[in-house]
Amino acid sequence: GAGVSQSPSNKVTEKGKDVELRCDPISGHTALYWYRQSLGQGLEFLIYFQGNSAPDKSGLPSDRFSAERTGGSVSTLTIQRTQQEDSAVYLCASSLFGGSFEETQYFGPGTRLLVL
Amino acid sequence: KQEVTQIPAALSVPEGENLVLNCSFTDSAIYNLQWFRQDPGKGLTSLLLIQSSQREQTSGRLNASLDKSSGRSTLYIAASQPGDSATYLCAVKSGANNLFFGTGTRLTVIP
Repeated sequence: GAGVSQSPSNKVTEKGKDVELRCDPISGHTALYWYRQSLGQGLEFLIYFQGNSAPDKSGLPSDRFSAERTGGSVSTLTIQRTQQEDSAVYLCASSLFGGSFEETQYFGPGTRLLVL
Repeated sequence: KQEVTQIPAALSVPEGENLVLNCSFTDSAIYNLQWFRQDPGKGLTSLLLIQSSQREQTSGRLNASLDKSSGRSTLYIAASQPGDSATYLCAVKSGANNLFFGTGTRLTVIP
């Protein structure tokens, strides 16, 4: 497709369950980013991938959060033992090069996660 | 750590008015600044990107300015339309990897 896609678009889960969120970046983009938008708060950075490696994981809020990227393309964000405070919109973005390049990040539609 | 503030948090204007949204940031060492639009239930759409070396960018009815030394940017929307109703987010890239976002201005254009 032409843009960044994410799945599922909505996810409702019970507290304590694990969830996986998927991101398909724009084809050819080497950089991929995950952000979280909690209710009433701004977007906060979670993790950055350059190719398949994650040189910056500084935004992951706890060790329950992990992410991987395979084949320099699809990325999965996994939240283990979900808590109610994990409820948020999780947004994925990609860019052509990443790093210090002055370029646009293109965002997907997000996954709305609700933990009951 | 970079902090980005947007004022006002919400704004309502009648159709046809010109308006200005404000963004300020604490660390002037930035690579670029972007203005995004977010519609309810949808992702972010990039409107304008201003490189650190630039002072402004224009696209249609939108004009964004950047004063890096004072840590400020404005988004000017001319002749507002109901379809402009959305949340507008300002984001700066000051680290190499990620964007720092403001909390947004929710704009309502009243027909």
